Amino acid sequence: DVKVTQSSRYLVKRTGEKVFLECVQDMDHENMFWYRQDPGLGLRLIYFSYDVKMKEKGDIPEGYSVSREKKERFSLILESASTNQTSMYLCASSPTGLAVTDTQYFGPGTRLTVL
Amino acid sequence: TQLLEQSPQFLSIQEGENLTVYCNSSSVFSSLQWYRQEPGEGPVLLVTVVTGGEVKKLKRLTFQFGDARKDSSLHITAAQPGDTGLYLCAGDNYGQNFVFGPGTRLSVLP
Repeated sequence: DVKVTQSSRYLVKRTGEKVFLECVQDMDHENMFWYRQDPGLGLRLIYFSYDVKMKEKGDIPEGYSVSREKKERFSLILESASTNQTSMYLCASSPTGLAVTDTQYFGPGTRLTVL
Repeated sequence: TQLLEQSPQFLSIQEGENLTVYCNSSSVFSSLQWYRQEPGEGPVLLVTVVTGGEVKKLKRLTFQFGDARKDSSLHITAAQPGDTGLYLCAGDNYGQNFVFGPGTRLSVLP
């Protein structure tokens, strides 16, 4: 079974803190994604990566950055957390070389609260 | 930017009832996926439909892709409490981008 794990299920941070969300997949997938999920808005793509050290902006990249130093690990960074970044963050991976068109396997999510 | 709308937003039914949820857009998609997300978990893919007019069945779930490739429906027969969750549709715009709808939250009461 494909397994996508996220470093924390729940996280509480203060405004202005730097926040790291880690995601690891164990199936040698090329593509990895970070989404945020908010009620009534569905999943919105923040960033994705189709190879090590490669990254592409999604629909809402402002206030976020990412890092992919190893194929299995994709990190989402909030340089200076703000209250409007309180959300559920979902990481996903997919196996093909195409950017967004294949089956995506999701982690359990990190619920981030910024106070 | 393509938008996907889903209806109804919430649905609460009794065990054994049938239901249909809808996913609509003004845009054409090359394929469309349905996911189910249970509380505290990430979404899990149920099906991908790729051909206009296509119907796929997965046990008690029937998925249909509209002829014009702008809409899709999910029909559940004899719903069970285990069907409870958030049902998300997601559309692929010929590899250019991928967009999720807001979801239908289904509650099946025993």
